[in-house]
Amino acid sequence: EPEVTQTPSHQVTQMGQEVILRCVPISNHLYFYWYRQILGQKVEFLVSFYNNEISEKSEIFDDQFSVERPDGSNFTLKIRSTKLEDSAMYFCASGYGTTDTQYFGPGTRLTVL
Amino acid sequence: AQRVTQPEKLLSVFKGAPVELKCNYSYSGSPELFWYVQYSRQRLQLLLRHISRESIKGFTADLNKGETSFHLKKPFAQEEDSAMYYCALSSSGAGSYQLTFGKGTKLSVIP
Repeated sequence: EPEVTQTPSHQVTQMGQEVILRCVPISNHLYFYWYRQILGQKVEFLVSFYNNEISEKSEIFDDQFSVERPDGSNFTLKIRSTKLEDSAMYFCASGYGTTDTQYFGPGTRLTVL
Repeated sequence: AQRVTQPEKLLSVFKGAPVELKCNYSYSGSPELFWYVQYSRQRLQLLLRHISRESIKGFTADLNKGETSFHLKKPFAQEEDSAMYYCALSSSGAGSYQLTFGKGTKLSVIP
């Protein structure tokens, strides 16, 4: 059964550095999402992406964040200048249609020192 | 604004006992409700959604619009049900497909 994959599984970075988190959605899916979960808190929506553009974003998704689908398979989340409070588990998800089930990747644990 | 509340952080039941994981929501429109489950060291996966009205792994959930609830139930808990359970809401009727999650309930089934 196809699955969403994410790399790396764990990323450690220094405050102020740029990080890129990578996701490979399920191949025939059209809608892509990023969520994050700070330790001990709820899973929070960051951004959704369709047809090569952002369709929705939350207030968390400020100018420090960007998303891209650089080729036909990858979907990336870039944090331009990381802050301590960006430390969290970042989940990628994809779905075929807008009301379709969202399938989640295993997550990337980002630790900002 | 939409909100999902799962009042129990941890729920422990004995094997064979009934289970009810509570979920209440706040949303002015017509929501779509989901239960996601995360087994130890595994990814979030959909357990069930209210529009399909299915029973998955013996779990059922009924949307009660009057009480704004979507509680997850199973008549007889099994050890393999031990996991983290998240209730989530989508306001797809309003053109928004992001999922709003509750904080999750950790279910522990005691053998």
